Amino acid sequence: GAVVSQHPSWVICKSGTSVKIECRSLDFQATTMFWYRQFPKQSLMLMATSNEGSKATYEQGVEKDKFLINHASLTLSTLTVTSAHPEDSSFYICSEKGGGNEQFFGPGTRLTVL
Amino acid sequence: AQTVTQSQPEMSVQEAETVTLSCTYDTSESDYYLFWYKQPPSRQMILVIRQEAYKQQNATENRFSVNFQKAAKSFSLKISDSQLGDAAMYFCAYRSVKSSGDKLTFGTGTRLAVRP
Repeated sequence: GAVVSQHPSWVICKSGTSVKIECRSLDFQATTMFWYRQFPKQSLMLMATSNEGSKATYEQGVEKDKFLINHASLTLSTLTVTSAHPEDSSFYICSEKGGGNEQFFGPGTRLTVL
Repeated sequence: AQTVTQSQPEMSVQEAETVTLSCTYDTSESDYYLFWYKQPPSRQMILVIRQEAYKQQNATENRFSVNFQKAAKSFSLKISDSQLGDAAMYFCAYRSVKSSGDKLTFGTGTRLAVRP
């Protein structure tokens, strides 16, 4: 399957700072990218969907001004958590979809906000 | 909106034995995809098996097979000859063919333990 990378794999930041997470498709062009959030021992919850060159579509209840998503190219999407607070601590996972029906997942980023 | 239900938070199986994980879903659509994903301790999501709703034949991938009952909206995963490496969280997921922009809707997951 396709390879998706995320960077960083783990980040610790102070409350009030912003954190950027990168998601890259290494061997295919991703027409659509998805960002998920996973709390401990819970399922993946979709935060937003983005298509290259377009604004992201956010799920209900997700603050678009807090979770900024940029999908500038077919191989890179970024999620910026602005003014992070301890309740934003979670595991963030991206996935990418190419021309087929399958989504390929990144390894995830653990965010800890102190 | 579609919902996916996994009623077994935890399951346990003896190594080399067979285990079945349950999944039910609710939808008004006739065409869709169903998936089982595995999430080991590394947290990397791995696709285990996929089923297209229009196909009557149950999907199989080596030791993994599904029992797809469309009328009952049931999609269970059978793992045969269980191995220690099968220990993980397993998520059932639904994807619409027409609507929702390729979004996946996940169940709450089943944690599978494999006893040596």
